[in-house]
Amino acid sequence: NAGVTQTPKFQVLKTGQSMTLQCAQDMNHEYMSWYRQDPGMGLRLIHYSVGAGITDQGEVPNGYNVSRSTTEDFPLRLLSAAPSQTSVYFCASSDRDRGYGYTFGSGTRLTVV
Amino acid sequence: AQTVTQSQPEMSVQEAETVTLSCTYDTSENNYYLFWYKQPPSRQMILVIRQEAYKQQNATENRFSVNFQKAAKSFSLKISDSQLGDTAMYFCAFMKARGGGSNYKLTFGKGTLLTVNP
Repeated sequence: NAGVTQTPKFQVLKTGQSMTLQCAQDMNHEYMSWYRQDPGMGLRLIHYSVGAGITDQGEVPNGYNVSRSTTEDFPLRLLSAAPSQTSVYFCASSDRDRGYGYTFGSGTRLTVV
Repeated sequence: AQTVTQSQPEMSVQEAETVTLSCTYDTSENNYYLFWYKQPPSRQMILVIRQEAYKQQNATENRFSVNFQKAAKSFSLKISDSQLGDTAMYFCAFMKARGGGSNYKLTFGKGTLLTVNP
């Protein structure tokens, strides 16, 4: 049981480049989210999904797109990378019983130069 | 909107001693969940303990326990017999207990960096 798998673990981008952060879970969880973690800011919600085909914006969605074509996958797309998007990104999933909290991936450290 | 406040950016404790991390939150909900997550230097987010607001009894997981004061909206984490492996960032988080969609959102505090000294 792999849980939540994120790739890549590290990435350096040039300003203006685009890329996709991959996230996959094998727990048949309905709910998936993307967070970014910045020093002194905690974790902030970028986008979330309540099931295949359904996504919505979180607190800091600008500059990011998501889609959810299957229950398992929830990729995050950076459209035109900016230095302000330098951060650690976490994907997380939860099943309907929210009392167990979220299972997190191992994170992606992204640097935009 | 819910807010979570961790007032201690950094703390330190000697190995084998006990330490308490503070967390307060603001919500108009009556039912909700509270969590403590640990983030060691490996960066992995690990669920340490959870508490359901409608349960009076404080949650306990081995050396970790909470002091949940619903009226005061306080949710502190006590670590007993601290170990070097407890060195990590600790995040307090809130989630509503009902409703779909965005109600599944986890709201995090900014974290407390705990260092356990030998």
